[in-house]
Amino acid sequence: RKEVEQDPGPFNVPEGATVAFNCTYSNSASQSFFWYRQDCRKEPKLLMSVYSSGNEDGRFTAQLNRASQYISLLIRDSKLSDSATYLCVVMGGNNRKLIWGLGTSLAVNP
Amino acid sequence: GAGVSQTPSNKVTEKGKYVELRCDPISGHTALYWYRQSLGQGPEFLIYFQGTGAADDSGLPNDRFFAVRPEGSVSTLKIQRTERGDSAVYLCASSLMPGLSGANVLTFGAGSRLTVL
Repeated sequence: RKEVEQDPGPFNVPEGATVAFNCTYSNSASQSFFWYRQDCRKEPKLLMSVYSSGNEDGRFTAQLNRASQYISLLIRDSKLSDSATYLCVVMGGNNRKLIWGLGTSLAVNP
Repeated sequence: GAGVSQTPSNKVTEKGKYVELRCDPISGHTALYWYRQSLGQGPEFLIYFQGTGAADDSGLPNDRFFAVRPEGSVSTLKIQRTERGDSAVYLCASSLMPGLSGANVLTFGAGSRLTVL
C-alpha cells in the first residue's frame, strides 16, 4: 500500500460544480497535512494546510479524519481557473519528510 | 530573495555527462529540500538540509547523486554520469526552522528541467 494515495482522476466538471477529492495515508503517526496545487509545468504551491477541526478558505474546505486516516478537499462553485492537479501531502510523526500523493487532476469546463 | 530561485531552468545534456543544479532559498529559511518530479507523478523526495548538514539523504537514488549546502544557504545538486532515466524536473523548496510557526510549509522554486539525451 502506498503511504499516501489519491484518485488520479481526471475529474472533469462543469463550471459551478462542487467537487471533492479524498486522500488516504498509511502512517497513523502523521502529524501535518496539506493540499498543494500544481499547474501544468509549474511548481507546486501550497493551497491550504489541513487542521484536525477542519478549515475553510473561501470556496475551499479541507477536512481531516484521523480515525479513518483520510483527508478531503472540497471545492465549491468551481471556476475555470481551478483546473490543476491537487496534491495531498502528509508529514510523518517523527521526521520532517513530506510524503506526496501522485495528485488528482481537475479540469473545469465552460 | 523574495522566492526560491533555481538555475538553470532548463538543462539538456548527453548521457554520461556531469550536471550541477543550483538552488537559492528564501532568505532566512534554514530548511532546504530537493525533490524530483517526473511527468504525471508527485514530487519524489531526494534530500533535506537543515543548515549546512544533510539531515536526511535517504531519497538519493544512488551514489551518482550528491548535494551540498556549504554555507547553509545556496545548495547545489550534483549528478554524475547522467543517465536517460535522470530526466525529470528537479524541484527545490525551502522552509523556516523547525519549531517555528509555518515551518512545515514549503515554498518551491520553479524547478530545473533536466533532459538527458
